Amino acid sequence: DQQVKQNSPSLSVQEGRISILNCDYTNSMFDYFLWYKKYPAEGPTFLISISSIKDKNEDGRFTVFLNKSAKHLSLHIVPSQPGDSAVYFCAANPSNAGGTSYGKLTFGQGTILTVHP
Amino acid sequence: NAGVTQTPKFQVLKTGQSMTLQCAQDMNHEYMSWYRQDPGMGLRLIHYSVGAGITDQGEVPNGYNVSRSTTEDFPLRLLSAAPSQTSVYFCASSYQGWNQPQHFGDGTRLSIL
Repeated sequence: DQQVKQNSPSLSVQEGRISILNCDYTNSMFDYFLWYKKYPAEGPTFLISISSIKDKNEDGRFTVFLNKSAKHLSLHIVPSQPGDSAVYFCAANPSNAGGTSYGKLTFGQGTILTVHP
Repeated sequence: NAGVTQTPKFQVLKTGQSMTLQCAQDMNHEYMSWYRQDPGMGLRLIHYSVGAGITDQGEVPNGYNVSRSTTEDFPLRLLSAAPSQTSVYFCASSYQGWNQPQHFGDGTRLSIL
């Protein structure tokens, strides 16, 4: 049972345009979300995160949007650059009823982004 | 600044052999985790630790053992390797809490024949 899903295995965009990567989740206890970027032969690196108390978080060219009612988040990259070509993973972290994170970060399958010059 | 160091980078084993994947971090992070990455499956949590002497199971713990005797080291043991354990293994650490960004090593690519 995949609790975090990235339904698009790949995405191809032109340099300078917007890249939108999507992520859906099913567990209503997830309340913190992170995006990681991964280049070949390297480990994932943290990109941006968002708490469920927000619906948007921005960091330079990267913006994450969270729609709690739809259990959907998206990562926007604008403008896209060739160096953004990588695999992008979304991840979700649950908290208990008291609001304490109890780990077991769950990752999506990843989306391969290719930005063409 | 080494960060998270994993050794070896590549390994080929025969079915039934045992092996330990090493992971060390020099950032004094309390939280450490092991993940495996398989095609179409993303990263799945195997075991994790919230401090020296404390470990717990993740999503796919069967066939793997861990221990955490020091803050720096978190080795992953395969007691009797099986072809289903062919994967890329990543170790990660974070300072405090799972909402802190995790720092990943560069992975160990393991093949079981």
